[in-house]
Amino acid sequence: DTGVSQDPRHKITKRGQNVTFRCDPISEHNRLYWYRQTLGQGPEFLTYFQNEAQLEKSRLLSDRFSAERPKGSFSTLEIQRTEQGDSAMYLCASSAGTGNSPLHFGNGTRLTVT
Amino acid sequence: DAKTTQPNSMESNEEEPVHLPCNHSTISGTDYIHWYRQLPSQGPEYVIHGLTSNVNNRMASLAIAEDRKSSTLILHRATLRDAAVYYCILDRNFNKFYFGSGTKLNVKP
Repeated sequence: DTGVSQDPRHKITKRGQNVTFRCDPISEHNRLYWYRQTLGQGPEFLTYFQNEAQLEKSRLLSDRFSAERPKGSFSTLEIQRTEQGDSAMYLCASSAGTGNSPLHFGNGTRLTVT
Repeated sequence: DAKTTQPNSMESNEEEPVHLPCNHSTISGTDYIHWYRQLPSQGPEYVIHGLTSNVNNRMASLAIAEDRKSSTLILHRATLRDAAVYYCILDRNFNKFYFGSGTKLNVKP
């Protein structure tokens, strides 16, 4: 079990630039989630995939955010025209998708927008 | 959203049991109760989950009230490595996990 891996671990970008993060879930997991976490707060749900289908998006997810999961394997989260308020830890999680399967999280990508 | 309420922080002595409470008065019949914990600079880690009956695993025990409106995570012997933020969340419809602010557990040597 190699776990959920996220790349990069850290990203520093200037306001207005686009950034893309990658998540590789546990190989047999068909559900994949993206969360955002700011300092002192719990993770906030952003979006969720069942295989390649994006089934739900939070109201928090503005039009500048887009997520994909081609072929139901890895996923990417892109933020266009970054703003300072986008600075946060972006967490990816996967689950086996059978009923009440628990989430397995990666260690996140920390984004700093200057 | 399926909301839970937890104390902001708790303190425990090393090698003593810890009882972390969680209220979830709006729980519905099919919601599972999950607990996760998060160490600094890491993603959350699954601890335990249950539906109606109490549950035990190698990490902890989960005690669920009869009316399911509250639950308690029990760490039988706290160690310094158990110092973390503990989150109680409801798994609604098998695909939605909403985290609150959690309980920060401090373990004193």
